[in-house]
Amino acid sequence: EVQLVESGGVVVQPGGSLRLSCAASGFTFDDYTMHWVRQAPGKGLEWVSLISWDGGSTYYADSVKGRFTISRDNSKNSLYLQMNSLRTEDTALYYCAKGRSGSNPFSAMDVWGKGTTVTVSS
Amino acid sequence: VIWMTQSPSLLSASTGDRVTISCRMSQGISSYLAWYQQKPGKAPELLIYAASTLQSGVPSRFSGSGSGTDFTLTISCLQSEDFATYYCQQYYSFPWTFGQGTKVEIK
Repeated sequence: EVQLVESGGVVVQPGGSLRLSCAASGFTFDDYTMHWVRQAPGKGLEWVSLISWDGGSTYYADSVKGRFTISRDNSKNSLYLQMNSLRTEDTALYYCAKGRSGSNPFSAMDVWGKGTTVTVSS
Repeated sequence: VIWMTQSPSLLSASTGDRVTISCRMSQGISSYLAWYQQKPGKAPELLIYAASTLQSGVPSRFSGSGSGTDFTLTISCLQSEDFATYYCQQYYSFPWTFGQGTKVEIK
């Protein structure tokens, strides 16, 4: 069974840092583009970041550019999101998602984890 | 940035109804559009990709159409399990963007 399990979400103060993890199983992880998508409480979905199959290319939403860093460790079937200079508006449920079309980054997201909650509050 | 206008934001319908949700882009995106369904407390699920291709396992009552700037999601015969929120999403250019969502509620 294809599965994504996020972890690392906690309550953190504004200006703080946090690293989210996503453990993948049931598919050949290093064949696929991966994403982070977030959803603030009661709000819609916001795409956050993408990383290519080999980690060589990364893209970010303007709202997190320069503060967040996406990375992956294909030997551990794991995806990460390093979050620095956190703001109250970063409070959200963070989902890890798998690209549908293998190494092609221009594809929909076909498998999602259940998410991990990040709360930025003093 | 490609802006997306999804409408309506709220749709009240009955079981058995045919419903349509619209998504309009601020610029052309060919067919690089996906539709997702999200139920309360759950992660989104992919319904349609490439504007009109049904994801494996998705019932055939769901269909998508359009290209360029105007897209539509149609549910031909609404079932009880279809009451949820639906989002369109473009993956033509970065940053990828989602529509604001359409909540389909029981009339």
